[in-house]
Amino acid sequence: DAGVIQSPRHEVTEMGQEVTLRCKPISGHDYLFWYRQTMMRGLELLIYFNNNVPIDDSGMPEDRFSAKMPNASFSTLKIQPSEPRDSAVYFCASRKNRVDEQFFGPGTRLTVL
Amino acid sequence: AQTVTQSQPEMSVQEAETVTLSCTYDTSESDYYLFWYKQPPSRQMILVIRQEAYKQQNATENRFSVNFQKAAKSFSLKISDSQLGDAAMYFCAYRSAGTGNQFYFGTGTSLTVIP
Repeated sequence: DAGVIQSPRHEVTEMGQEVTLRCKPISGHDYLFWYRQTMMRGLELLIYFNNNVPIDDSGMPEDRFSAKMPNASFSTLKIQPSEPRDSAVYFCASRKNRVDEQFFGPGTRLTVL
Repeated sequence: AQTVTQSQPEMSVQEAETVTLSCTYDTSESDYYLFWYKQPPSRQMILVIRQEAYKQQNATENRFSVNFQKAAKSFSLKISDSQLGDAAMYFCAYRSAGTGNQFYFGTGTSLTVIP
């Protein structure tokens, strides 16, 4: 299996622009997670899905952030409008079931100028 | 909410020597999972080792082993025969075995391996 796939690996954009991050989980995994990593706050869970349904989005920082999972093999995290403080590494992770381990994607480094 | 504390922001070890990274956590639950993840400069989060709280035996994966002290809520990682490729950030993480799916991560320990 190719593992969790994220695109793009790097994104540089200007403040106010819309940013869309993409994730393809490992085939057969029922859970998908979006994390944000910053120096100040470490790794934070933003939202997670179970069988394509958002279960907990309490970590989403503001209404500017939204996430979707239209099918079992694809999810997006959108920031609109983006701000410099959104600059971070965003990780997607997937897990097969409740007890299995979690596999992380390579992350997307977002820079908002 | 559960908290995970890594009190060593940075550690260093001589190549071929042994190093221990510390982690403590706070929880009122009796059943949970603990993990150590490695994040090299490539940023990829790699699972190093996993421990189920109900297991008394400490987990071991080749040169990596843990010292799990449930009563003390301590979960340290020992790396034996350190190699240059072990240089990375190491994160301790907690996850409930019950209803919770969220991982709680520590702030990480940056490990340097000195040739």
